[in-house]
Amino acid sequence: AQSVTQPDIHITVSEGASLELRCNYSYGATPYLFWYVQSPGQGLQLLLKYFSGDTLVQGIKGFEAEFKRSQSSFNLRKPSVHWSDAAEYFCAVGAVGRDDKIIFGKGTRLHILP
Amino acid sequence: GAGVSQSPSNKVTEKGKDVELRCDPISGHTALYWYRQSLGQGLEFLIYFQGNSAPDKSGLPSDRFSAERTGGSVSTLTIQRTQQEDSAVYLCASSQAHRGEYNEQFFGPGTRLTVL
Repeated sequence: AQSVTQPDIHITVSEGASLELRCNYSYGATPYLFWYVQSPGQGLQLLLKYFSGDTLVQGIKGFEAEFKRSQSSFNLRKPSVHWSDAAEYFCAVGAVGRDDKIIFGKGTRLHILP
Repeated sequence: GAGVSQSPSNKVTEKGKDVELRCDPISGHTALYWYRQSLGQGLEFLIYFQGNSAPDKSGLPSDRFSAERTGGSVSTLTIQRTQQEDSAVYLCASSQAHRGEYNEQFFGPGTRLTVL
C-alpha cells in the first residue's frame, strides 16, 4: 500500500521569499501525486497533480512541484510567496493502474511573516 | 450539482448517540471518499467507494463506523454510540476516476461533528 510523509508540520517564511514544502512517498511503482491547499475556513483545492511525463509540474497560483523518482519525493515550490498563501498544504499519493484510494499526508501549515 | 455537498454543516451530539452524515457527490462521479480531519492529524482516510466494486473500508477506525452508498450516488456515514474522540471534521470527496487514470478529487465543505 502507498503512504506519504510530510516531514514539516509548520513552515514560516517571509513574504516575498521562496518556498519549498517537502513530500516523500512510498509506493512500489509509479504513483499518482497531488498537492492540495486548504485555506482557513475553506475547502481543499487542488494545486497540481503528476500522472506521467514531464517531472516538473506547473500548478495554479504560481506553484510548481518536481517528481524525483530516485528520492521518492514530490516537493512543492514557489519562487515568491504572498501573504494569501498562508494555509495548510497536503500532499497525496494514489496508485497507478488500479482503482485504489488516495492517501494524504498530515499536512504542512505555512505561516507568512510580513 | 455544481459541487460536492455535505449535510449537516455542523452537528453537536451527546456521547452515546448515533449520528448520520450525508454526502452528495458530483453527478456522474464514480469514486467517493470519506476522510476525517482532526486537529494536527491531516486527512485520515476512512472509506472509498468505486462504482459497483466492494468498498474499501480499511480506514474505518472501529465497528461503530459504517458507510453506504445508495444507487452509486449519495453516501451516508453513520457513527454509532459516538465518543468524544469522534469529534472532527468529516470530509467527503468525489472524482471521475476511470480505470488506469486518476482525476481530481473534489471536496465538499465538510461536516463539523462535536461530541459532548
